[in-house]
Amino acid sequence: GENVEQHPSTLSVQEGDSAVIKCTYSDSASNYFPWYKQELGKRPQLIIDIRSNVGEKKDQRIAVTLNKTAKHFSLHITETQPEDSAVYFCAASIDYGGATNKLIFGTGTLLAVQP
Amino acid sequence: DAGITQSPRYKITETGRQVTLMCHQTWSHSYMFWYRQDLGHGLRLIYYSAAADITDKGEVPDGYVVSRSKTENFPLTLESATRSQTSVYFCASSEHRPGGTDTQYFGPGTRLTVL
Repeated sequence: GENVEQHPSTLSVQEGDSAVIKCTYSDSASNYFPWYKQELGKRPQLIIDIRSNVGEKKDQRIAVTLNKTAKHFSLHITETQPEDSAVYFCAASIDYGGATNKLIFGTGTLLAVQP
Repeated sequence: DAGITQSPRYKITETGRQVTLMCHQTWSHSYMFWYRQDLGHGLRLIYYSAAADITDKGEVPDGYVVSRSKTENFPLTLESATRSQTSVYFCASSEHRPGGTDTQYFGPGTRLTVL
């Protein structure tokens, strides 16, 4: 089955710097890759996602890149702010014609943005 | 986010007792999921459901039972709780997207402690 590895497990940056979180997946059939942000004590919330027919996607300060050949995808946050501090999870899904909709999550990255 | 709720939000029980966690969504989403979140493991899928009366196992189903008689409800039962089931449980739902995976929306979570 699918396996998703996420690195680093913790990341500390200065406010204004960029942060990069990387994930690798094992199943070449995976075709949907969302990123979730979870603030302390809160529920995970989708911040950006990418499908396998796209190599990069941006939304303001957040971008995700996908390398299907290497089977890895990354989250890039630019101009980090203290409110970006949270745990970030990557995930990969395998679609069997939309029959499962399942996500396999990475183990998370705790991002701390120092003022 | 207010469209998916979980109850109770906190529960303390004893080993061997039966516990049921409730999940309710108002969006009429086809898919519903149960995850457990433990430090160092991220979010792990317990069970999921593609529609009413259709359920299937996820990564860690042992010790859990689910049912889905109505589209909007997806209760999770621990038939005989064990200390290893102490965790935060998240319910999620998503729409059916033909040929693809749609966004999963998470409930607020239930913190379960088994003594």
